[in-house]
Amino acid sequence: EAGVVQSPRYKIIEKKQPVAFWCNPISGHNTLYWYLQNLGQGPELLIRYENEEAVDDSQLPKDRFSAERLKGVDSTLKIQPAELGDSAVYLCASGGADTEAFFGQGTRLTVV
Amino acid sequence: GNSVTQMEGPVTLSEEAFLTINCTYTATGYPSLFWYVQYPGEGLQLLLKATKADDKGSNKGFEATYRKETTSFHLEKGSVQVSDSAVYFCALSVYNNNDMRFGAGTRLTVKP
Repeated sequence: EAGVVQSPRYKIIEKKQPVAFWCNPISGHNTLYWYLQNLGQGPELLIRYENEEAVDDSQLPKDRFSAERLKGVDSTLKIQPAELGDSAVYLCASGGADTEAFFGQGTRLTVV
Repeated sequence: GNSVTQMEGPVTLSEEAFLTINCTYTATGYPSLFWYVQYPGEGLQLLLKATKADDKGSNKGFEATYRKETTSFHLEKGSVQVSDSAVYFCALSVYNNNDMRFGAGTRLTVKP
């Protein structure tokens, strides 16, 4: 069974540029998470989807971050414009009903 | 709100030493508890879990017991190996909510 797939693995952009991350969850998983992980810290939830509905986006900085999960499968997380402080690892995870989260490899973003 | 607090690292042990990493939680409702591990250069993967009070999760020689009376889920291993060197994250998810929250992580280094 394929796991959670994220792309790209690494991204380097200049500040003020836009960037997008893509996630393909495990087939059949209705719950999809985007987490932010700063160096030396635990994952912090940005947004959680149940199917195509964003049920918790309270920690998403909506002035520059946006996300979508069309058709309740793949998801895209976008930052526009990126700031230096956005440099981090962006993790996508998916889960079934009342199960643990399964994580992708993450996208390491460096803003210069 | 729901949250997890785990002991700060880093933790450095010699091979075959006993390991304990403390984790306590705060939750509304009835959480499931998890330990995730992140090996160098890899994504987060589930190590073990427990879904109700007094359950013991175990895997790869690691164990943790869900203690409702002390709101704790401490990770233990009787004899660590160099290959156990990684970052360990305690996490919870409240039943029927799928809202997964993580601790800050504890970096373990095992020396030969």
